[in-house]
Amino acid sequence: GAVVSQHPSRVICKSGTSVKIECRSLDFQATTMFWYRQFPKKSLMLMATSNEGSKATYEQGVEKDKFLINHASLTLSTLTVTSAHPEDSSFYICSASDPLQGNNQPQHFGDGTRLSIL
Amino acid sequence: GENVEQHPSTLSVQEGDSAVIKCTYSDSASNYFPWYKQELGKRPQLIIDIRSNVGEKKDQRIAVTLNKTAKHFSLHITETQPEDSAVYFCAASYGQNFVFGPGTRLSVLP
Repeated sequence: GAVVSQHPSRVICKSGTSVKIECRSLDFQATTMFWYRQFPKKSLMLMATSNEGSKATYEQGVEKDKFLINHASLTLSTLTVTSAHPEDSSFYICSASDPLQGNNQPQHFGDGTRLSIL
Repeated sequence: GENVEQHPSTLSVQEGDSAVIKCTYSDSASNYFPWYKQELGKRPQLIIDIRSNVGEKKDQRIAVTLNKTAKHFSLHITETQPEDSAVYFCAASYGQNFVFGPGTRLSVLP
C-alpha cells in the first residue's frame, strides 16, 4: 500500500517553457503532499507543502510564482515550473503519507522527475 | 526548527563487513525517525524506521538504535553486500514535518 506515482519521469525542454509535474497517491487519499528538489549528490530540499483545497505553504527562498502548486483533489498534486531556465534543471520529487495510518508514518516518494532545461 | 546532521558523508566497506551511519537531531519534539535508501536516479525507499518509544529495532541485516536523551540515532548494516551500495538518508519527524540529513554515500567493495 501507500503508492505514490509521479509523471513525467524525464523532461527536456527549451528555456522559457513551463513544465507541469504530476504527483498522484494511487491507493490512499493524501490531504498533504510534499515537493522536494534534489541537486546532484545532495539531500532532499523541501520546496513546499501542498494542501488539498487550500494554498500551498512554501519554504523560505522558494518563489511561489515560479513554482506553482495545485492540489485540487485528494489524490493529485501538480507542480508547474513556470518559464523554466537552465538553473531550474534538477531532480524534483514528491511524497505523501496515508493520513488514515495516523501520525509517525513514513513519507512515500514518487519516482521523481529529472528536468533538463536547455 | 529541526536540524539533522549525518556522518559520515561517505563510507566504504569491504563486502561482509558492517556499516554504521550516525545522525543527530536538535528538536526534542521529534518522535519518528525513518531511514531511506536511494539508488542513483531513483526514489528514496524506506528501509527501516523507529519511533521514540523504543530504543532499538532490527530487520534482518538492518538495525536502528535511538538515544532520545542524546538526540542521536544510528543505522547498522551487517554482512554488507554490493547491492547495499547507495545513498542513505536519515530523517527526524514530528507530525508530518520531515527534516532529512545530508546523506551518506555507502560503497560496498567486492
